[in-house]
Amino acid sequence: DSGVTQTPKHLITATGQRVTLRCSPRSGDLSVYWYQQSLDQGLQFLIQYYNGEERAKGNILERFSAQQFPDLHSELNLSSLELGDSALYFCASSVEESSDYGYTFGSGTRLTVV
Amino acid sequence: GDSVTQMEGPVTLSEEAFLTINCTYTATGYPSLFWYVQYPGEGLQLLLKATKADDKGSNKGFEATYRKETTSFHLEKGSVQVSDSAVYFCALSEGDYKLSFGAGTTVTVRA
Repeated sequence: DSGVTQTPKHLITATGQRVTLRCSPRSGDLSVYWYQQSLDQGLQFLIQYYNGEERAKGNILERFSAQQFPDLHSELNLSSLELGDSALYFCASSVEESSDYGYTFGSGTRLTVV
Repeated sequence: GDSVTQMEGPVTLSEEAFLTINCTYTATGYPSLFWYVQYPGEGLQLLLKATKADDKGSNKGFEATYRKETTSFHLEKGSVQVSDSAVYFCALSEGDYKLSFGAGTTVTVRA
């Protein structure tokens, strides 16, 4: 157990729907990162929050949004889902704002859009 | 921009064989370098890291040395086990917000 908790582990939904993925960071970690892992794109950085504030955006679609709450858990919202959004979504956390010391990943949420 | 290139797999080995996975990077500054491992059905786990040139990261029998002159961070293990079967990712950080990952190398160790 890495200490980063992601729920749900699996999600199957239809095209056009909206889903919310949840992440609880490791105790004491202030930064949360979201990544998408797909077979054709590899690991793609989506977005980072640090202590409740958005710090950086990567290849995140406009249909996707995220936030980090005062208790430091984070949610990734995916809307108007398309078949191509099927992927593994990972959350990671770190104490630092910088990624220089690496971060700890959760076990992921596997999203299947049908 | 920053990028990481690692050898394509899959790599198939017999138990007790020597494993090398090549990783080279492109960066404007002096990045930190990492190897992550992903076992089937799990998330990525940090295997080892090095934060400056000539540093050697090591863990669970794996080693990698940060070579600035060749911009490389090759992963090695002297005697692999079946339990080392996994996908290995090389990654770098230039002190900002994200890790940039390579494409991953799938390693299968046969008994």
